Amino acid sequence: DTGVSQNPRHKITKRGQNVTFRCDPISEHNRLYWYRQTLGQGPEFLTYFQNEAQLEKSRLLSDRFSAERPKGSFSTLEIQRTEQGDSAMYLCASSPRDRRQTEAFFGQGTRLTVV
Amino acid sequence: KNQVEQSPQSLIILEGKNCTLQCNYTVSPFSNLRWYKQDTGRGPVSLTIMTFSENTKSNGRYTATLDADTKQSSLHITASQLSDSASYICVVSVSGGGADGLTFGKGTHLIIQP
Repeated sequence: DTGVSQNPRHKITKRGQNVTFRCDPISEHNRLYWYRQTLGQGPEFLTYFQNEAQLEKSRLLSDRFSAERPKGSFSTLEIQRTEQGDSAMYLCASSPRDRRQTEAFFGQGTRLTVV
Repeated sequence: KNQVEQSPQSLIILEGKNCTLQCNYTVSPFSNLRWYKQDTGRGPVSLTIMTFSENTKSNGRYTATLDADTKQSSLHITASQLSDSASYICVVSVSGGGADGLTFGKGTHLIIQP
């Protein structure tokens, strides 16, 4: 396990289609975070899991977005009925405990383009 | 409102030169401050983490400073290399509050020219 892994790295989809991204965190990390980053901006928090429990969701996470972490290991982020405004880099991060005190390790991201 | 402001927005320097990036924050209560390097199309990678009591920390050619009184931080890059071309993001951690607790700056886009 060399780090946080995200798949796919790139996704191009037509407006209105559904997409799903996967994140595999560092194996011993129980906390997992999803972020969205648009060009020229810093990452924006979307949601956070501790083990399999989704503990917090940002207001950015509309009802078209859903995230799961069914077994407390990998996580998926699904976007339904994609819109052009959903085009962004989606980043996943994991940490072994409260990230305010410790390092968070980011994946390489999934770049979504909605055409 | 918690905010992190970075300057300059972008910077171009010649290879071998030094540069300093700035970060001002209004985050409270403060827990720690981090600098990340983000190569184009990749995830951020941590360079340094500093707590309230630390005012300088080095990582190779990168040196970060923190003035908790003025709520300012800087990242100094010495003897720049082409591989330093990236966005540098300042992130401030909030003590308590929500589960995320991180406030990100927009980053400084640094270009090193040969």
